[in-house]
Amino acid sequence: EAQVTQNPRYLITVTGKKLTVTCSQNMNHEYMSWYRQDPGLGLRQIYYSMNVEVTDKGDVPEGYKVSRKEKRNFPLILESPSPNQTSLYFCASSYSDSNYEQYFGPGTRLTVT
Amino acid sequence: AQKVTQAQTEISVVEKEDVTLDCVYETRDTTYYLFWYKQPPSGELVFLIRRNSFDEQNEISGRYSWNFQKSTSSFNFTITASQVVDSAVYFCALSEAGFLGSARQLTFGSGTQLTVLP
Repeated sequence: EAQVTQNPRYLITVTGKKLTVTCSQNMNHEYMSWYRQDPGLGLRQIYYSMNVEVTDKGDVPEGYKVSRKEKRNFPLILESPSPNQTSLYFCASSYSDSNYEQYFGPGTRLTVT
Repeated sequence: AQKVTQAQTEISVVEKEDVTLDCVYETRDTTYYLFWYKQPPSGELVFLIRRNSFDEQNEISGRYSWNFQKSTSSFNFTITASQVVDSAVYFCALSEAGFLGSARQLTFGSGTQLTVLP
């Protein structure tokens, strides 16, 4: 089954404790991206990747890191989480770029206390 | 910079009513793509439609229809004879085409919460 998986689905952590949210897709997609969803703001792009070793900032990259060492994986790293990063995070992938249908993961609900 | 505005934050209708969700976009590119996604209460994001800027034909899929008008920079979504299962948040999104597969950024509107009452 074609899918995007994210782990964990729910995470409660404390300020400053490094965490990683994993994202994996099995569709051989080139483009992957991370979004955060906040009430009243819709989805905002954090980082995207056009292919292996090619990543770039989206609209709200501060406080986040990413890497793309393999085509299928695109982890999101919060090195020192803060309460304003409490949000719902979605990973997505598509065939080649943002002009194509995005396949979204199920989301990760992160709470930083 | 690209921008998407969904001015309707919340809409509530009674089942079987028709409802239109508005989407207005801004872009400097002549080539771009527009999307609608649905987010039901379960939380996943479901793709509904993709339309490129050169295709202004309206599209109908069952009870769903989309009206794309470049003259007003709008891409509105209508649900005919709404049902309770249509209750969800609906997002409009825009991607500027870029050059030869280099489109990078998908910009979403803030979403419209649709509630269909029985």
